[in-house]
Amino acid sequence: KQEVTQIPAALSVPEGENLVLNCSFTDSAIYNLQWFRQDPGKGLTSLLLIQSSQREQTSGRLNASLDKSSGRSTLYIAASQPGDSATYLCAVTDYGGATNKLIFGTGTLLAVQP
Amino acid sequence: GAVVSQHPSRVICKSGTSVKIECRSLDFQATTMFWYRQFPKQSLMLMATSNEGSKATYEQGVEKDKFLINHASLTLSTLTVTSAHPEDSSFYICSAARYEQYFGPGTRLTVT
Repeated sequence: KQEVTQIPAALSVPEGENLVLNCSFTDSAIYNLQWFRQDPGKGLTSLLLIQSSQREQTSGRLNASLDKSSGRSTLYIAASQPGDSATYLCAVTDYGGATNKLIFGTGTLLAVQP
Repeated sequence: GAVVSQHPSRVICKSGTSVKIECRSLDFQATTMFWYRQFPKQSLMLMATSNEGSKATYEQGVEKDKFLINHASLTLSTLTVTSAHPEDSSFYICSAARYEQYFGPGTRLTVT
């Protein structure tokens, strides 16, 4: 059974710092891995999606890497801003296609202090 | 593109009543929709997979008679919480699948 874990559970950094969020999964047979952002009381915003054949994806100040063999992904946020404060979730789709269910990690609550 | 809406965004109901939540894909057709539940400070847990025109597939531990799911069209799935109790209070989020899953904004259910 696939399990997804994220560390740290919570992180507080001063504005301008670069930071790394970690995600690990137990079964390497994944179709893709996705990073989401969730603001309090809101739905999910997709940040980056990495296919199993890819090693990284970049969007603006965000860079996500994937090491499928070791069951790890990282989300790197450069020059953090207070507006980055949110909960970040990673999720994997087990091999079988995009319409298979997502298995979510436990989330990292990020607070960027001005 | 790929916008998913949910209605209502918030609902308060009395214990014992039923509540229906709608999930719509506004600009694409989705043969598969998913329903998730999220308790405070916890991650999303998949409740069921809804396929258009067929019965939903429920995850282990989810009562199918309590959480009724209907996927009558390629753009609409509904979740009905029957005989709601305070422990059903939660944040319910749906997603619609087209190449990847697109999430709705969620529905906050409070049962008093």
